[in-house]
Amino acid sequence: GAVVSQHPSRVICKSGTSVKIECRSLDFQATTMFWYRQFPKQSLMLMATSNEGSKATYEQGVEKDKFLINHASLTLSTLTVTSAHPEDSSFYICSARSGNGNTIYFGEGSWLTVV
Amino acid sequence: AQSVTQPDIHITVSEGASLELRCNYSYGATPYLFWYVQSPGQGLQLLLKYFSGDTLVQGIKGFEAEFKRSQSSFNLRKPSVHWSDAAEYFCAVYFDRGSTLGRLYFGRGTQLTVWP
Repeated sequence: GAVVSQHPSRVICKSGTSVKIECRSLDFQATTMFWYRQFPKQSLMLMATSNEGSKATYEQGVEKDKFLINHASLTLSTLTVTSAHPEDSSFYICSARSGNGNTIYFGEGSWLTVV
Repeated sequence: AQSVTQPDIHITVSEGASLELRCNYSYGATPYLFWYVQSPGQGLQLLLKYFSGDTLVQGIKGFEAEFKRSQSSFNLRKPSVHWSDAAEYFCAVYFDRGSTLGRLYFGRGTQLTVWP
């Protein structure tokens, strides 16, 4: 079964609104989670690294004020896309490092469509 | 510079045929290596990984991969492909093996089509 769960799997929102995506580690504590973005037929690009109890580390070119990441507990990280724009439409995938640190598991992904 | 390359964008094989998906990396040392599979609209599932030791790694669903240091490669293989193997396959690399496992770098993916 899945060890990392994302919710929602699909979301449609209007331009200018905000949408929150949750990433939960099941059965293990994840001090570090990762958020990726994937455009159709392309590879995954890391957006940010989320550390429990501290600020996320964003990759170059990713707007931290637009993509808010909160990692308030050892099993939950959230990504909030603020003032969403149609160009933000994409597949967002989170991952979490396993409790023993030797594997990274991915969530099922979340399709975001901004209309 | 560190990089991951999957030379084949799309591969088509007949069901029952053997399969090899290529992955090469550029790095001065041996990284951690992974293969993930993604079905349409789905997340990624880990097939197998290599950290050290035996260079032939067995994974789930009958897949295996061989690490070849001299070629900086980590090719994925399956002796007999099933129609359900049709998916996108990603090679991923973690370069900083001296520290705790962290961000992965992904190849661009190889789309596998299986003919009946």
